[in-house]
Amino acid sequence: ILNVEQSPQSLHVQEGDSTNFTCSFPSSNFYALHWYRWETAKSPEALFVMTLNGDEKKKGRISATLNTKEGYSYLYIKGSQPEDSATYLCAVRRDNYGQNFVFGPGTRLSVLP
Amino acid sequence: GAVVSQHPSRVICKSGTSVKIECRSLDFQATTMFWYRQFPKQSLMLMATSNEGSKATYEQGVEKDKFLINHASLTLSTLTVTSAHPEDSSFYICSAGQGAAEAFFGQGTRLTVV
Repeated sequence: ILNVEQSPQSLHVQEGDSTNFTCSFPSSNFYALHWYRWETAKSPEALFVMTLNGDEKKKGRISATLNTKEGYSYLYIKGSQPEDSATYLCAVRRDNYGQNFVFGPGTRLSVLP
Repeated sequence: GAVVSQHPSRVICKSGTSVKIECRSLDFQATTMFWYRQFPKQSLMLMATSNEGSKATYEQGVEKDKFLINHASLTLSTLTVTSAHPEDSSFYICSAGQGAAEAFFGQGTRLTVV
């Protein structure tokens, strides 16, 4: 059974602080890892698709790294803003050709002004 | 990115009745769509894979006779919760995508069975 874990479950940071959280997954049979940002009452929004060990991706103040050998990915947010408040989901693809994912429970981020 | 629309966003129904949830891909064709369920404080869990023109594939432990999936066109999949009971109260969300690229999600449906 593919089990994806995320930590912490939630965190509160002050505006301007930088923060990071972790997604852990089994390192065997890895295909791809996706990060999503999910605001309440909205659709999850895709942030990154990561496939190769050592991948680093960046979108504005948000970046992510991937280590497939040890089975983890980090998501970093630099200079957090209140609009970054959301749940950040990590999802690991179960196969190499489709959209079949196993999700982590998410990290709920609250950025206080 | 592509848009997936899901309706309704919230529904309250009486125990024993059936509820239909629609998932539409608005600007692309989706031969496959996915239905997930999320209970409080838990992860999104895949329920079934909806295949256009053929039977859905259900995950272990998901009753196919209770959760009827119809994918009659390339842009629409429906999930019908039949004879709903309070334990079916949950958040249901669909996704669709193309190949091995990112998935696009609907807004989700909060189902409450009273």
